[in-house]
Amino acid sequence: DVKVTQSSRYLVKRTGEKVFLECVQDMDHENMFWYRQDPGLGLRLIYFSYDVKMKEKGDIPEGYSVSREKKERFSLILESASTNQTSMYLCASSLARDEKLFFGSGTQLSVL
Amino acid sequence: KNEVEQSPQNLTAQEGEFITINCSYSVGISALHWLQQHPGGGIVSLFMLSSGKKKHGRLIATINIQEKHSSLHITASHPRDSAVYICAVNTGNQFYFGTGTSLTVIP
Repeated sequence: DVKVTQSSRYLVKRTGEKVFLECVQDMDHENMFWYRQDPGLGLRLIYFSYDVKMKEKGDIPEGYSVSREKKERFSLILESASTNQTSMYLCASSLARDEKLFFGSGTQLSVL
Repeated sequence: KNEVEQSPQNLTAQEGEFITINCSYSVGISALHWLQQHPGGGIVSLFMLSSGKKKHGRLIATINIQEKHSSLHITASHPRDSAVYICAVNTGNQFYFGTGTSLTVIP
């Protein structure tokens, strides 16, 4: 089975801090995604990547950046955390664009 | 306007009841997915379907492409089925997600 591992389950940060969220998948998937999930809004796509060193903006990229230096690792970076970035962050991967998604267990980020 | 609408938003059932969750979508799709999210966050894929019907244990998913509608049924519901069920559609290029149906099954 595919395993998608997110580095932290819970994270508390201060406003203005730089925050790194790490995601690693072990099945050689080409595609990796970062979503945030907020009550009543469902999953919203922040950034995605279809290949190493490649990234594309999703629906809500403002305030975020990403890095994909290796195929198995996709990092989400909050350059200067703000309170409105308090959310559940979910990483996912898939073999192809129209294949099913495999999700990590999520990181609940609180920015104080 | 949301590309994917789910109903109901919340559902409480007695153990053993038959449950139906509905999903309507407004875009052309290559596949529709039903996802399950337990408290604590992790999401697992239950079904991926592009036509007809699929069954896995007590779960059944159906899709009507012409009507742009899908249903997820749970037979003989159990408290361990308590979770958020999310409908997602893939256009071939990207996913659109519903806001989820929160199901609570009471013993």
